[in-house]
Amino acid sequence: AQSVTQLDSHVSVSEGTPVLLRCNYSSSYSPSLFWYVQHPNKGLQLLLKYTSAATLVKGINGFEAEFKKSETSFHLTKPSAHMSDAAEYFCVVSAIQGAQKLVFGQGTRLTINP
Amino acid sequence: GAVVSQHPSWVICKSGTSVKIECRSLDFQATTMFWYRQFPKQSLMLMATSNEGSKATYEQGVEKDKFLINHASLTLSTLTVTSAHPEDSSFYICSSARGPYGYTFGSGTRLTVV
Repeated sequence: AQSVTQLDSHVSVSEGTPVLLRCNYSSSYSPSLFWYVQHPNKGLQLLLKYTSAATLVKGINGFEAEFKKSETSFHLTKPSAHMSDAAEYFCVVSAIQGAQKLVFGQGTRLTINP
Repeated sequence: GAVVSQHPSWVICKSGTSVKIECRSLDFQATTMFWYRQFPKQSLMLMATSNEGSKATYEQGVEKDKFLINHASLTLSTLTVTSAHPEDSSFYICSSARGPYGYTFGSGTRLTVV
């Protein structure tokens, strides 16, 4: 079975400093991996996705993630945090090869300090 | 782009009544819709998968008679919470899949049962 573990439930950074949200996955085959962002009482917005193409994936709003098979990781980064980045972030893996079920991590709450 | 419109965004109902949540795909045909439930400060849990014209597939532990899902057309899927009780209070989110790697989420419905 596929699973994903977000290593930090809460990350707090200062505005203008780098952001790192950590995610490790477990999969019996080459997975599809996603990062989604959720603002309070809102739906989910796709930040980026990895689907076995380039291992460094660039997303929206300056975010990017690197797929590292040897480390089974897919960490999300951003060089400089903005106040509007404060939200909940979910690392997600596709559950079954070729199917459409998603398995969500527990989420990381990102707080930006002024 | 693909848009899924979810209504209502929030609803308060009395214990024992039923509530219907609608998800409409506005500019594409959604053959598959996923329904998730999210408790405060927790991740999304898949409740069921609905396919147009057939019965929904429920995840283990989800009461199919309590959470009725109808997917009668390619643009509309509904979730009805029957005989709602306070423990059903939660954030419900629908998602539609477009091919194996494209997912669009609704904006969510905050249900409060009093």
